[in-house]
Amino acid sequence: ETGVTQSPTHLIKTRGQQVTLRCSSQSGHNTVSWYQQALGQGPQFIFQYYREEENGRGNFPPRFSGLQFPNYSSELNVNALELDDSALYLCASSSKLSTYEQYFGPGTRLTVT
Amino acid sequence: GIQVEQSPPDLILQEGANSTLRCNFSDSVNNLQWFHQNPWGQLINLFYIPSGTKQNGRLSATTVATERYSLLYISSSQTTDSGVYFCAVGNNDMRFGAGTRLTVKP
Repeated sequence: ETGVTQSPTHLIKTRGQQVTLRCSSQSGHNTVSWYQQALGQGPQFIFQYYREEENGRGNFPPRFSGLQFPNYSSELNVNALELDDSALYLCASSSKLSTYEQYFGPGTRLTVT
Repeated sequence: GIQVEQSPPDLILQEGANSTLRCNFSDSVNNLQWFHQNPWGQLINLFYIPSGTKQNGRLSATTVATERYSLLYISSSQTTDSGVYFCAVGNNDMRFGAGTRLTVKP
């Protein structure tokens, strides 16, 4: 069974640029959620995708957007990067056919300069 | 939205000691999970426990859903138990507490 994978591991971008982060869900999982974790804080929910549709969104501006593909993998796109976007971005997968238990990937550490 | 409070924020133990971490939440939920975050940021699943009691080796957890709290017990702590422990609750969207930073000294 393959776990949740994310790419890239680390990324450095300049303020105003755009970034795309990628996530492959655990096999058998059809739901992907994205979280932002600032230094010293708990992760905060960005949004969730189920069957290629957004299925819930946290308190994040529209410049945070996402996609889910037919194979259940997902992308997180952030436009017009700000310094405060520097954080660890975590992806989690789960299966709505069973429990709500979420499994997390290793994360992408984004630094905006 | 759902509020999640974890206590204590910091905990320092000697190796071999026992500890109890608490998570209070403000509304009924379908999902409650405990995680251990390692130094590289990976969230390790400890328990999926929306209600009841579970045990896994030296760790156990209890959730009393009607009273909206969960407890994580760590017995005979080891230095490798050090790190941040998070409680997360919710339905589709998971709300995380601020975490408990555990340091186990040899």
